[in-house]
Amino acid sequence: QKEVEQDPGPLSVPEGAIVSLNCTYSNSAFQYFMWYRQYSRKGPELLMYTYSSGNKEDGRFTAQVDKSSKYISLFIRDSQPSDSATYLCAMSAVVVSNAGNMLTFGGGTRLMVKP
Amino acid sequence: SAVISQKPSRDICQRGTSLTIQCQVDSQVTMMFWYRQQPGQSLTLIATANQGSEATYESGFVIDKFPISRPNLTFSTLTVSNMSPEDSSIYLCSVELGPYNEQFFGPGTRLTVL
Repeated sequence: QKEVEQDPGPLSVPEGAIVSLNCTYSNSAFQYFMWYRQYSRKGPELLMYTYSSGNKEDGRFTAQVDKSSKYISLFIRDSQPSDSATYLCAMSAVVVSNAGNMLTFGGGTRLMVKP
Repeated sequence: SAVISQKPSRDICQRGTSLTIQCQVDSQVTMMFWYRQQPGQSLTLIATANQGSEATYESGFVIDKFPISRPNLTFSTLTVSNMSPEDSSIYLCSVELGPYNEQFFGPGTRLTVL
């Protein structure tokens, strides 16, 4: 079993829909959670970073963490065709300054938003 | 965040040759990372490069195959040695920055080995 599981998709939605992207994890030591967006032929771009259970909102994006269930989500409101990309969740156990904190990535979910 | 560049952006190489990939960041960083992303897959960490010390390699990756240099706080190179078609991947560098040591990625180098 992988440490981080993510539905590979593809997930196809109409423009304006609310999108829910999810990851589950098995390692209870994970405390820090990230979502990256990766456009085709580009490097991953950090979207959201959170370290506590609950919700964190940034514009149309909301990151949700449920440590008791080992489950994280990214919600995208009013989805746009420009949101079409692969979304990767990532997590780490500790954050120590200048220590090279290892990230464990999910497999990525490919999202397509149709006009 | 930071501005991270990689050279080359892509290359097509012959089996048995080597390619050196450069990663440049616009601010001084202690830790840099090298990842591999095989077609349709997620990211796999190759090694962590700390300026002034030997790189730390993850299981399945060895220095002879992926030698890394880290001459200063803004630059690193990854060499893919004695390449085979199985090395065809996107190679990404990343840096740790910010109050929570977030990782930021370069644009990647797309390598095809014939």
